[in-house]
Amino acid sequence: QVQLVQSGAEVKKPGASVKVSCKASGYTFTSYGISWVRQAPGQGLEWMGWISAYNGNTNYAQKLQGRVTMTTDTSTSTAYMELRSLRSDDTAVYYCARGTGAAAARFDPWGQGTLVTVSS
Amino acid sequence: QSALTQPRSVSGSPGQSVTISCTGTSSDVGGYNYVSWYQQHPGKAPKLMIYDVSKRPSGVPDRFSGSKSGNTASLTISGLQAEDEADYYCCSYAGSYLYVFGTGTKVTVL
Repeated sequence: QVQLVQSGAEVKKPGASVKVSCKASGYTFTSYGISWVRQAPGQGLEWMGWISAYNGNTNYAQKLQGRVTMTTDTSTSTAYMELRSLRSDDTAVYYCARGTGAAAARFDPWGQGTLVTVSS
Repeated sequence: QSALTQPRSVSGSPGQSVTISCTGTSSDVGGYNYVSWYQQHPGKAPKLMIYDVSKRPSGVPDRFSGSKSGNTASLTISGLQAEDEADYYCCSYAGSYLYVFGTGTKVTVL
């Protein structure tokens, strides 16, 4: 079955960087893109960016431009999201989701989520 | 990109219908027929319920339906059941592989 499995929880200090992985299985990795979405405690979903697993093209949410980098490793069918210069308001659960359908606008399935805690 | 506007909460008794609105602009909801809806239970990852405004993935009950008029999309849950109690988020394509989520709506089954 199609599945996305993410890396484990992280605790980081302000100013540090974090890199979250998302390993895909059950489908041809390069046929779809991956979107990253985060959710701060008690808050709503926030779209962070998208990467094409076919050619590595990316598009990021404006507020994260310059701090986020999304990459893929097609040899291991894994997507990565790196966020730099972490602040306390980056504390959130980070999700990856496969983008399918027209305009890759159908996010299905989702990974299980990775909690990133930023604290001094 | 501003979040799409959803009511903070809606509620209904078992068997009733509830509708959740999702208001954007002509640059997102109104400009594309790529609105999707996600259900999220506490502590769980979101689940796709509706895509392309009104299409249902296999396995999603037909009591869930979607529609759109102008800059506002809607999700209707007919025949409300206890397990439908959850948070619901809309999401719209905004062009050039950019997307925006709604503010989220808590559905309570009375």
